[in-house]
Amino acid sequence: ETGVTQSPTHLIKTRGQQVTLRCSSQSGHNTVSWYQQALGQGPQFIFQYYREEENGRGNFPPRFSGLQFPNYSSELNVNALELDDSALYLCASSQAATDTQYFGPGTRLTVL
Amino acid sequence: SQKIEQNSEALNIQEGKTATLTCNYTNYSPAYLQWYRQDPGRGPVFLLLIRENEKEKRKERLKVTFDTTLKQSLFHITASQPADSATYLCALDTGGAGNNRKLIWGLGTSLAVNP
Repeated sequence: ETGVTQSPTHLIKTRGQQVTLRCSSQSGHNTVSWYQQALGQGPQFIFQYYREEENGRGNFPPRFSGLQFPNYSSELNVNALELDDSALYLCASSQAATDTQYFGPGTRLTVL
Repeated sequence: SQKIEQNSEALNIQEGKTATLTCNYTNYSPAYLQWYRQDPGRGPVFLLLIRENEKEKRKERLKVTFDTTLKQSLFHITASQPADSATYLCALDTGGAGNNRKLIWGLGTSLAVNP
């Protein structure tokens, strides 16, 4: 186990709703990255937080937003959910931006 | 365009054989490349990291090579076992500075080891 936890494990929402996913990082890690993984695809980088500041963003619209807290835990918020947002959302903590990523178990989001 | 490619077809091999997976990239000068294993419905698990100045890295039955001229990494599992069945992902450090530096992921290759 990596020590990275995510909640909830599964979530079902309807189109247009908002969702908040949570992640606690591994002890000693100050960087958290969020990824979206559709079935059969590789992880797509959403954004990364380093010491509470956004430190890079992938090709995702502004309705995907995040936060990192002083204890380095993090939230991913998605507004105005669309059907295509259905995916496994992974968070990973690391000691630096592109260091080895320690992934949580993921949150499976289904948008109906 | 910048991209990273892994063999898209699932790989089926017989137990005991060596599995070889490829990861090719274009338009990057990565400082290093990482390989991960992912089981269905779970997060990827780190396996090996190889730096640009390293030709080969080994860990138990795993071996990774990195050819920056060919822009290719090969991932080998020797004496494969059914428990090695999973999806294997490569991730490339794009290099650069600050916010521009990130990990880019391949789509993964599904490996099935048959008993």
